[in-house]
Amino acid sequence: DVKVTQSSRYLVKRTGEKVFLECVQDMDHENMFWYRQDPGLGLRLIYFSYDVKMKEKGDIPEGYSVSREKKERFSLILESASTNQTSMYLCASRTGGGSYEQYFGPGTRLTVT
Amino acid sequence: EDQVTQSPEALRLQEGESSSLNCSYTVSGLRGLFWYRQDPGKGPEFLFTLYSAGEEKEKERLKATLTKKESFLHITAPKPEDSATYLCAVQPDSNYQLIWGAGTKLIIKP
Repeated sequence: DVKVTQSSRYLVKRTGEKVFLECVQDMDHENMFWYRQDPGLGLRLIYFSYDVKMKEKGDIPEGYSVSREKKERFSLILESASTNQTSMYLCASRTGGGSYEQYFGPGTRLTVT
Repeated sequence: EDQVTQSPEALRLQEGESSSLNCSYTVSGLRGLFWYRQDPGKGPEFLFTLYSAGEEKEKERLKATLTKKESFLHITAPKPEDSATYLCAVQPDSNYQLIWGAGTKLIIKP
């Protein structure tokens, strides 16, 4: 079974703090993704990575950066957290070829106060 | 523009009452259509991939079907534990990103 884990289930941070969200997958997947999910707005892609050290902006990259130094790990960084970044953050991974389904982690509920 | 629309937004059924959820899509070439189940406060759980019109997949009380313009998720004799939000997404030919629908919230009353 594919397993995607995220570093925290719940996180509370203050405005202006630097926030790190980590995601690890154990299936040797090439592609990894970070989404945020908000009521009424659905799933929105922040960044994705199709290989180690490679990244592409998604639909809403402003205020975020990412790092992928190892194949199994993809980190999302909020350089200076703001209240409008309060959200559910979801990490996903998939194989690079063949099937395209993404497998998700349990999510991190981030609250910025 | 690539787009995915799910209907209805919410569906309330009695236990045992079969029904269908709809996912209609417009994309420039379809590599795959995906169904996911999401429980409150959790990440989406992958259910099915459909690749071409006429394809069907089944899992327990769920059956997914695909035509050239839409997909249906049929739920037969549902149980309360089937209550969840069901998400549909499509993979266009053009890029890495999935195009997501807004989801259908399914509530099964005992």
